[in-house]
Amino acid sequence: DAKTTQPNSMESNEEEPVHLPCNHSTISGTDYIHWYRQLPSQGPEYVIHGLTSNVNNRMASLAIAEDRKSSTLILHRATLRDAAVYYCILQGAQKLVFGQGTRLTINP
Amino acid sequence: EAQVTQNPRYLITVTGKKLTVTCSQNMNHEYMSWYRQDPGLGLRQIYYSMNVEVTDKGDVPEGYKVSRKEKRNFPLILESPSPNQTSLYFCASSLLAGSYEQYFGPGTRLTVT
Repeated sequence: DAKTTQPNSMESNEEEPVHLPCNHSTISGTDYIHWYRQLPSQGPEYVIHGLTSNVNNRMASLAIAEDRKSSTLILHRATLRDAAVYYCILQGAQKLVFGQGTRLTINP
Repeated sequence: EAQVTQNPRYLITVTGKKLTVTCSQNMNHEYMSWYRQDPGLGLRQIYYSMNVEVTDKGDVPEGYKVSRKEKRNFPLILESPSPNQTSLYFCASSLLAGSYEQYFGPGTRLTVT
């Protein structure tokens, strides 16, 4: 199964952009790249996903490398509410494969 | 309100006593799955279901059973719980597998003594 690799933790300041990297060198051609985040004491919540092209939504942007072996989640202006564990996930036709997640700390 | 519900939210039980954790979604989703979350290990998929009467093993299925008799419900069954099944469990659903957003339930914290 294709797996993802993320830094264990990252830190940023409020109102600054945050770039969260994810490596997935064994991704298959049909795997979608999903990002979820988990706030303390809550279930994961969807952030964004993509296949080959960069994607934007109201929460974040997803930049996907041309060879698809890595991707970056971009939070344009971090707020304290963005402090969470961020998971980069490869979603195939049937199974999900979670990475270990990046714990993002936002400093006021 | 679109949601995934799980019951119970908290459960303490003893080794060997059969238990069921229920999961229900009100979004007419075809795909449902169960995960467990343990410190340092992240979320691992236990079982998933592509549709009614169609279930398959995830990465850590040992010691668990599931059933999908109706589209909205996907119960997780522990026939003989053991302490190593102490964990935080999440149910999730999505319209279909693949490129669709998954909605997660609030979690069930299970302790097996």
